[in-house]
Amino acid sequence: GQQLNQSPQSMFIQEGEDVSMNCTSSSIFNTWLWYKQDPGEGPVLLIALYKAGELTSNGRLTAQFGITRKDSFLNISASIPSDVGIYFCAGQIHSGNTPLVFGKGTRLSVIA
Amino acid sequence: NAGVTQTPKFRILKIGQSMTLQCTQDMNHNYMYWYRQDPGMGLKLIYYSVGAGITDKGEVPNGYNVSRSTTEDFPLRLELAAPSQTSVYFCASSLLTPTVYGELFFGEGSRLTVL
Repeated sequence: GQQLNQSPQSMFIQEGEDVSMNCTSSSIFNTWLWYKQDPGEGPVLLIALYKAGELTSNGRLTAQFGITRKDSFLNISASIPSDVGIYFCAGQIHSGNTPLVFGKGTRLSVIA
Repeated sequence: NAGVTQTPKFRILKIGQSMTLQCTQDMNHNYMYWYRQDPGMGLKLIYYSVGAGITDKGEVPNGYNVSRSTTEDFPLRLELAAPSQTSVYFCASSLLTPTVYGELFFGEGSRLTVL
């Protein structure tokens, strides 16, 4: 089945730094999504991308849907302590009832 | 705004015991899902449902059963608990339309330990 390769696996950054993470696949996806999981909670949707080449922002977060439809990246600018958590990418093929495929997550730690 | 509600939040089971994790959503979503998340790992799909009366296997269905008798409820049953089922279980729901895909809403999780 489809697999998503998410990198890096973990990151330690200083408060105020910018962060970049990405997700790649050998398959084409028609939707890319980015979720964040705070410690002890369920994932929450950050950004949804529906069109190849689309660049979308949500506050300090920016995500792009790769033009080949096989990748996506998420940038966080000027990180703050509450950015700590696990960030998951997810992709979906719009065929039948195909569920989302999730990456394994990027664990972000912010050092004040 | 309840969203997706899971019960119980924590449970300890002995090997061989059975239990049901409850999940209900009040958003009238057509799709519902069960995922498990092992420590330090990503989300693995156990079962999903595209509507009442319809369920399908995900990536790791062995040892679990589900039913979907109503739009709101999607319980997950463990028949003979094994230590390998120690995990955090997340229920999620989504509303699929011709223009909106994949926007899942997750519950807070149920932490299960099998000893």
